[in-house]
Amino acid sequence: GAVVSQHPSRVICKSGTSVKIECRSLDFQATTMFWYRQFPKKSLMLMATSNEGSKATYEQGVEKDKFLINHASLTLSTLTVTSAHPEDSSFYICSARVTESSYNSPLHFGNGTRLTVT
Amino acid sequence: QKEVEQDPGPLSVPEGAIVSLNCTYSNSAFQYFMWYRQYSRKGPELLMYTYSSGNKEDGRFTAQVDKSSKYISLFIRDSQPSDSATYLCAMSRTGGFKTIFGAGTRLFVKA
Repeated sequence: GAVVSQHPSRVICKSGTSVKIECRSLDFQATTMFWYRQFPKKSLMLMATSNEGSKATYEQGVEKDKFLINHASLTLSTLTVTSAHPEDSSFYICSARVTESSYNSPLHFGNGTRLTVT
Repeated sequence: QKEVEQDPGPLSVPEGAIVSLNCTYSNSAFQYFMWYRQYSRKGPELLMYTYSSGNKEDGRFTAQVDKSSKYISLFIRDSQPSDSATYLCAMSRTGGFKTIFGAGTRLFVKA
């Protein structure tokens, strides 16, 4: 159980275009989802916390207008990288906790999206 | 000082060896401890989840937490080439919302 599906797994786009990444909890509901960014051989960097039905909470240094987050339902959060530039190329991973569990239940991760901006 | 310290490695061991992976932390309020395994170009996969001090075993994996020393470990017995991956420790506080991750240790198990 607790499967998180992320799509697409890989995307290549041209500079200046926007890319949308979807994160779905397949067998549980998730009030909150988390978006991470990971650079090669580096650990996870929390970008933002996505809250169902309300605005996302962004970490310091993360541009809200660049990384748009929408959490429209208890099973779907989307991250849109707007006007992408080569420096946005990275591995983006979403995660979620089972809503019915406590805040301290472990995170379950999607398989990530590798974004390459040319 | 980082909240969680983890040696990035790489750690290279022969097949069948016992692997010891470790993390230290500075915040005594951490109560929940996790180990994730991440294969290249994949998302992290939860391996072990423990609360407070003590040991937890699951197959070839054993997680240990020593809160008095602020030190956690993951042991892998009879290591296999398929165990080659990056192992991330993670922890959180009671009632806390954020999970804090270590840098990850890259493990290579040679056949």
